[in-house]
Amino acid sequence: EVRLVESGGGLVQSGGSLRLSCEASGFTFSSYPMTWVRQTPGKGLEWVSGISGSGDTTYYADSVKGRFTISRDNSKNTVFLQLNSLRVEDTAIYYCAKLYYGDYAVLNAFEIWGQGTLVAASS
Amino acid sequence: QSVLTQPPSVSAAPGQKVTISCSGSASNIGSNYVSWYQQLPGTAPKLLIYDNNKRPSGIPDRFSGSKSGTSATLGITGLQTGDEADYYCGTWDTSLNTGGVFGTGTRVTVL
Repeated sequence: EVRLVESGGGLVQSGGSLRLSCEASGFTFSSYPMTWVRQTPGKGLEWVSGISGSGDTTYYADSVKGRFTISRDNSKNTVFLQLNSLRVEDTAIYYCAKLYYGDYAVLNAFEIWGQGTLVAASS
Repeated sequence: QSVLTQPPSVSAAPGQKVTISCSGSASNIGSNYVSWYQQLPGTAPKLLIYDNNKRPSGIPDRFSGSKSGTSATLGITGLQTGDEADYYCGTWDTSLNTGGVFGTGTRVTVL
């Protein structure tokens, strides 16, 4: 069974940092690009970042570029999202997702989603 | 910030059909494949349709997708109470910074 389990969320003051982790199982992790998507009640779903299977190509939404960093450790089947300079508007549930096709970190459907981890940034 | 527009809600009786529209632009729906996601209350989204009209293994053929120009449509036939959920369309915007984009979401209610 394909499974994704996020961790690392929590409450942090504005300007603070968090590191989210997503551990994968049930598929050949290094063969697939991975992504992070967040969800807030007011704004719905928002794509945040993506990374290729090898980890050598990364993509970011304009809203997080320069503040968030995506990375992966294929030896541990884990993808990470480092959140720096957090803002109140970053408050959301953060989901990691496996992309459907192995070739592209973008232009690809979000096949499998984790259960999400809540990040709350207070002012 | 959602750049794809969906109706806030649709409803129908059990056994009936509903359709959900998703409107975008040339740089997103007009240029890329569309996918659809079902989000049951309190759970993560689930992929229903990819590449405009393909269903992943395990998704019943009651769910269908189509695309024309800068709009896409999700259809659900034989509506069941278990289909009550939020539905989102998604694609990619390749205008400047290529990034994923999602619809505003549609709540399906079974009367």
